This record gives sequence, structure tokens and C-alpha cells, in this order.
Amino acid sequence: IAGITQAPTSQILAAGRRMTLRCTQDMRHNAMYWYRQDLGLGLRLIHYSNTAGTTGKGEVPDGYSVSRANTDDFPLTLASAVPSQTSVYFCASSDGVRDHNEQFFGPGTRLTVL
Amino acid sequence: GQNIDQPTEMTATEGAIVQINCTYQTSGFNGLFWYQQHAGEAPTFLSYNVLDGLEEKGRFSSFLSRSKGYSYLLLKELQMKDSASYLCAVSDSNYQLIWGAGTKLIIKP
Repeated sequence: IAGITQAPTSQILAAGRRMTLRCTQDMRHNAMYWYRQDLGLGLRLIHYSNTAGTTGKGEVPDGYSVSRANTDDFPLTLASAVPSQTSVYFCASSDGVRDHNEQFFGPGTRLTVL
Repeated sequence: GQNIDQPTEMTATEGAIVQINCTYQTSGFNGLFWYQQHAGEAPTFLSYNVLDGLEEKGRFSSFLSRSKGYSYLLLKELQMKDSASYLCAVSDSNYQLIWGAGTKLIIKP
């Protein structure tokens, strides 16, 4: 693989179910991010990780959790999905966390919660 | 609060020039990014400005005025493949990116 991969590509989920979105990068980037993108709104940061073993909350963290056990993987878990979590989810990574921290994005996961 | 403003939609003609504006109010400033996003795809990096002035990269240029909280992306010699959304994002005092809602650019033949 090259870059960032996400799985699944799309998913329809019943409300109340637990769901984990997977994200893997092979660029050995230190920092990783989860965003959601909704029509008419900018990308909103859910959680981030500046390095393996650390995580932080973004702008909209409620209802989501993450872990960063190693450099490559950064899964996002919805403990009990609700319809307002219907969105397109993008995982991203960057080599650094400071100046010119260009972020590289995965292809996205389209999630529908019914 | 933090705010990034850019027009929702713009239309331009193939071969012409278009300027997409972005104004921002953020807690701190550590650079401004422009990304391109085609429908149904992931955003991809276009440009980065941290100092005032114009950065040119082929058909695309990006300008920054920190004192005015203003940037623009200039696209020259428009091609049909330039039809996409253009996202402005500012790196704030914590080096987190604050994103605008994006400008959908429609190119007509």
C-alpha cells in the first residue's frame, strides 16, 4: 500500500450499534487526524494524535473515541451510533505537527446511521 | 471564535482566470493552506503560505496578507478538470487546521 487507506469505503449502520472505522498509513508520519465532512460545513476535527501512544480531542469529539497503539494505525470508534453521526469521515496524516504540516488524506468512509 | 469565510460557489469559463478569496479570524496564525477536492474524493494539497506575498506554482498562485486576514487562490488558464471544491485552512496557535466550508468552482466550456 502507498499513502493512507481507510475501511470500509461505505457503511449503513443501525442506530445504537458500535462501529470502528479503520485507518492505516505507510508513510511513517508522526501525526494522524480524524475529520468529518458535512455538506455546507468545513472539515471538523474529531480527534488527533501527534505521535504513537498519545491522542487529543478536536472540535467535535463527543460520541467518538480513538487509540494510537502504533505509528501506522489510528482507528475511530463510535460506541453507540446516532443519526447525527451520518457523515463522510476522513483520516489524515502529517510528518510533523508544526510548521508546514501538510496533511495527506485517505479516501474517506461514507457512514449512514439510520 | 475562529472563522474562515470563502464564497460557496463560483462559475468561470474554460481558459479564463478565477480568484477565490478567503478571509479568516483565528486564535493565532501559523500558516494558510489551500486544498483541492474533487467530488467524492479526498482533499489534496495545493499550496501553503506563511509569509505575506504571492506564491506561484504553475497555473495556480496563492496570496497572503496577514495584516488583513486575507488570502486568495488564483487559477489561470482554467481547464475542465479544475472543476472542484477549493478549501482554505488556517493553522492556528496550536497548529490545528481550521477549515473553511469550501468554494465549489464550476467551469463552463
